[in-house]
Amino acid sequence: GAGVSQSPRYKVAKRGQDVALRCDPISGHVSLFWYQQALGQGPEFLTYFQNEAQLDKSGLPSDRFFAERPEGSVSTLKIQRTQQEDSAVYLCASSTTTEETQYFGPGTRLLVL
Amino acid sequence: AQSVTQLDSQVPVFEEAPVELRCNYSSSVSVYLFWYVQYPNQGLQLLLKYLSGSTLVESINGFEAEFNKSQTSFHLRKPSVHISDTAEYFCAVIHPGGADGLTFGKGTHLIIQP
Repeated sequence: GAGVSQSPRYKVAKRGQDVALRCDPISGHVSLFWYQQALGQGPEFLTYFQNEAQLDKSGLPSDRFFAERPEGSVSTLKIQRTQQEDSAVYLCASSTTTEETQYFGPGTRLLVL
Repeated sequence: AQSVTQLDSQVPVFEEAPVELRCNYSSSVSVYLFWYVQYPNQGLQLLLKYLSGSTLVESINGFEAEFNKSQTSFHLRKPSVHISDTAEYFCAVIHPGGADGLTFGKGTHLIIQP
């Protein structure tokens, strides 16, 4: 594909529901990052994958957040038992290496009611 | 750990006037610096970056930024803005090895007034 794609673009969940957010990175990109962007704020790092290995998950806000990239390409961010404070835009980015330009997807806007 | 400060949340500027968006960072190790732009209803796009070499870097649409190590700054400038430059601008840093991702500032909303 031409760029990073994410689905769904919008998700409304009732508090307590589980959600799964998908990221398709640019083909061949080794590095994949997830960020959370609250309204009016800059993106904040959640987790990082190098191929299928999750090398850093220090930004995940709680153990309700889980990410995987089992085959080193597509990644899924799962949020269990969603809370209202989880409402945000979730951004995925990929790059050839960690220092090089990160290419961002359009994001998934999650609203928890 | 590193941090990025963008002091101005909004900058209103008249069309064809110059603009400077300020960015300061704090880090105990060397960092790479980036400016990303987010146009209305679009995703983040790289505007320009500094990795090494010349401290003045330029984008294809007339923006430039200068890395100043002594002042730990990476301010973004454009000599003459256009209405199409209306967007949110984010300054970000990453340290070499970067497994903890980019650290972003809170963003500056550039508002171009006709």
